[in-house]
Amino acid sequence: DTGVSQDPRHKITKRGQNVTFRCDPISEHNRLYWYRQTLGQGPEFLTYFQNEAQLEKSRLLSDRFSAERPKGSFSTLEIQRTEQGDSAMYLCASSHPGPLADGYTFGSGTRLTVV
Amino acid sequence: GEDVEQSLFLSVREGDSSVINCTYTDSSSTYLYWYKQEPGAGLQLLTYIFSNMDMKQDQRLTVLLNKKDKHLSLRIADTQTGDSAIYFCAESTGNTPLVFGKGTRLSVIA
Repeated sequence: DTGVSQDPRHKITKRGQNVTFRCDPISEHNRLYWYRQTLGQGPEFLTYFQNEAQLEKSRLLSDRFSAERPKGSFSTLEIQRTEQGDSAMYLCASSHPGPLADGYTFGSGTRLTVV
Repeated sequence: GEDVEQSLFLSVREGDSSVINCTYTDSSSTYLYWYKQEPGAGLQLLTYIFSNMDMKQDQRLTVLLNKKDKHLSLRIADTQTGDSAIYFCAESTGNTPLVFGKGTRLSVIA
């Protein structure tokens, strides 16, 4: 296992289009997280899963955003009707369950540019 | 809600020590972390400390925690140009998602 993989690395889309990102976590990690990072900011929590269950969603996750993890392995994050304000780096991370003593392992992120 | 604050920039000369500071507001924070982010990359966990510890040392890294003042610091000894990056402080109660600061950009001058 080579870590957390995210695809694509970069995405340029026109405003109003839908985009979907994929994250493949470390196989033995059953928790998976999505964060968003804009320029000059730290990562902001969006949502997380334990196995296939979505346990928490941030207020940042508007109705245009949806995340799934259907089989408890990879996850997808879809943004519908993209807006320029959606331009950001979308980071995925995974971890073991329980107390987060060893933190998260992050992927390299998907950079979204909405033009 | 939880808040994590960091100074935005730090510049040091190669070979000197760097000290990056962080304050947090959630008194129930159990785990505190330092992550490093290089340009165009994801975040890499550097080290973490439990709230019942005052200090943790790991090679060139020393973490100090003042729980009373909710202050965390990361000291990098013998700073090298390869240490130039953005450093993020993060906290968690243990079962809550990590809350990150805005990051401190460390520039190392040769």
